[in-house]
Amino acid sequence: QVQLVQSGAEVTKPGDSVKVSCDTSGYTFSGYYVHWVRLAPGQGLEWMGRLNPGSGVPNYAQKFQGRVTLTGDTSISTAYLELRWLTSDDTAVYYCARGGWGSSRLDFDYWGQGTLITVSS
Amino acid sequence: DIVMTQSPDSLAVSLGERATINCKSSQSILYSSNNKNYLAWYQQKPGQPPKLLIYWASIRESGVPDRFSGSGSGTDFTLTISSLQAEDVAVYYCQQYYSTLYAFGQGTKLEIK
Repeated sequence: QVQLVQSGAEVTKPGDSVKVSCDTSGYTFSGYYVHWVRLAPGQGLEWMGRLNPGSGVPNYAQKFQGRVTLTGDTSISTAYLELRWLTSDDTAVYYCARGGWGSSRLDFDYWGQGTLITVSS
Repeated sequence: DIVMTQSPDSLAVSLGERATINCKSSQSILYSSNNKNYLAWYQQKPGQPPKLLIYWASIRESGVPDRFSGSGSGTDFTLTISSLQAEDVAVYYCQQYYSTLYAFGQGTKLEIK
């Protein structure tokens, strides 16, 4: 069965960087996008970007351009989100999700369990 | 950028009654070449990841109860729960995937009256 399993919660300080992993199984890793979405306290879902694991090409929401890097390792079917120069506004639960492309379904049909990132001095 | 706006922000409905959530996109998300509306609906309960309910605006995801239905086209869409159950208490989001930005609506919190 399709599974996306994320790394555990982290507490970081302002100005630091954080890297979250998303370990996938049950499907062809290079055949689907891996999207990253976050949910901040009191806010709604916010799309951050997507990775094409096959080509390694990422696309980022403009808000996060220059501060986020999405990568993947096809040998272990794992995607990564790195976010730099953290502020308290980055305190949120971060999710990875699988999405299709081209003429297939484009919705996010499977999600990771979420990773809580807390930024606090 | 396509902006998704949901209404209402919150909603209280009695058990067994109908719940209706609206979603409006700032531009049409109907792709003329395949006549598909690039819209999904998700349900999120506290402490859980979002769950896909509806895709292509009206197709129910496998395993989703048939009391959930999606309708609409172009810029105006609706999620309907025909007979509210206690386990339907959640925040509901619409999402467009017409453009690369994959924008979500702000969410609608559904509670029991």
